[in-house]
Amino acid sequence: DAKTTQPNSMESNEEEPVHLPCNHSTISGTDYIHWYRQLPSQGPEYVIHGLTSNVNNRMASLAIAEDRKSSTLILHRATLRDAAVYYCILRDWGYGQNFVFGPGTRLSVLP
Amino acid sequence: DSGVTQTPKHLITATGQRVTLRCSPRSGDLSVYWYQQSLDQGLQFLIQYYNGEERAKGNILERFSAQQFPDLHSELNLSSLELGDSALYFCASSTQKGGGGYTFGSGTRLTVV
Repeated sequence: DAKTTQPNSMESNEEEPVHLPCNHSTISGTDYIHWYRQLPSQGPEYVIHGLTSNVNNRMASLAIAEDRKSSTLILHRATLRDAAVYYCILRDWGYGQNFVFGPGTRLSVLP
Repeated sequence: DSGVTQTPKHLITATGQRVTLRCSPRSGDLSVYWYQQSLDQGLQFLIQYYNGEERAKGNILERFSAQQFPDLHSELNLSSLELGDSALYFCASSTQKGGGGYTFGSGTRLTVV
């Protein structure tokens, strides 16, 4: 499985934008970039995913580098509810691989 | 509510015992996945079923087994329990054999004493 590298932890102030980085230098051409997050005492939940182009949804934006070796999850206005562990995961769509979760980034949001 | 239902939410049992965790997938989802999350190991993939058949195995111990029934609900059986089996056990479901995003349940917290 292609690996991802994320910072262990990050802090943000409430109502400010947050940029969560993910490095994936060994990404293959058919790997999708997925982001999940896990709120305290809950199961992981889907945030966003993309292949090559930047993606936006109601929760976040995903900015993918042109060479696809890194990506950034952008939360436009952090709220206290966004405090969670964020996981960046690569998965090859074609082979039906299962999601392999790394340690993720623990995001703290300060009021 | 994610649509994936796991029962029970909490379970406390003694070493050496056997327990069964249950998962009902989101309506329409054919695939069920089991994950274990302990403090020192993070989220570990255990096993996947698709429409009643085992499709992929991860780091699942021989003391653990699972199955998916015709109504698509799944059970994870843990036997000869050890203290180290204490963890959160999550079930997830998806529509396809392996593609698509996962929807996770809220987990079963197992404590072995």
